[in-house]
Amino acid sequence: EIVLTQSPGTLSLSPGERATLSCRASQSVSTNYFAWYQQKPGQAPRLLIYGTSNRATGIPDRFSGSGSGTDFTLTISRLESEDFVVYYCQQYGNSPWTFGQGTKVEIK
Amino acid sequence: QVQLVQSGAEVKKPGASVKVFCKASGYTFTRYYMHWVRQAPGQGLEWMGTMNPSGGGTSYAQKFQGRITMTRDTSTSTVYMELSSLRSEDTAVYYCARVAGILGTEYYFGYWGQGTLVTVSS
Repeated sequence: EIVLTQSPGTLSLSPGERATLSCRASQSVSTNYFAWYQQKPGQAPRLLIYGTSNRATGIPDRFSGSGSGTDFTLTISRLESEDFVVYYCQQYGNSPWTFGQGTKVEIK
Repeated sequence: QVQLVQSGAEVKKPGASVKVFCKASGYTFTRYYMHWVRQAPGQGLEWMGTMNPSGGGTSYAQKFQGRITMTRDTSTSTVYMELSSLRSEDTAVYYCARVAGILGTEYYFGYWGQGTLVTVSS
C-alpha cells in the first residue's frame, strides 16, 4: 500500500498569501495517477487537480500542482477567503487507492 | 449532468449491518467504475472499495474484507454498499464516487455523492 503523508497538518496564512502544500509518497507514483481534492465543511470532496498538474473543470488558475516520484505539491498562488478549507492528496495508480491525511489551511 | 444521489442517514446498533445506495444519472451507468470512500468525524478520507458496474466485479480494501459487499442494479443505475458487523468505529459519512473516465489515467474521482451519515451506537 502506498502511504501518502501530507505536510504541514495545518497551514496558517493570510488572504492574498501563497500556500504551498506538500504530499510525500512511500514509494514512487506516476505523475499520471496523482490528484488533489478540496473539501469544505459539510460537503463532499471536490476534485481540484488530476494527473499531478491538470486543473479540473471550473478550478481557478490560482491552483496549480507539480511534482514527480515521491514528492508532490499543491500551490495556491493568492489565497481567497473560500480557500481556507481542507485539502487531500490521492494516488490512483495502485490499489488500494490511498489519500493523504489532509492539510487544513486556516486564516492567520 | 452526472448526479450521484445517496440514501439517507442511518442509525444502527453494534453488530448490525447497513446498506447504503447510490443512484446514478446523467451518464451510461455501466461504463464507469464506482468507488466508496468513508470519513469518520473530524478525520480524513478512507478508500473502501470499488465496483465495475458492467460485470459486477469488485475489489475491496483489505481492512474491510469479509465485512463489505458492493452490488449493483443496472436496471435502476444504482450501486449498493453493505457493511456488516458494525462497531462504533464505523460511524462515518460514506460517499460514493465515480471515476472521471474509462482509462486508467482517468481513475480519479470526478464525481461524488452527497454522503450518507451512518451512526453506530447502542
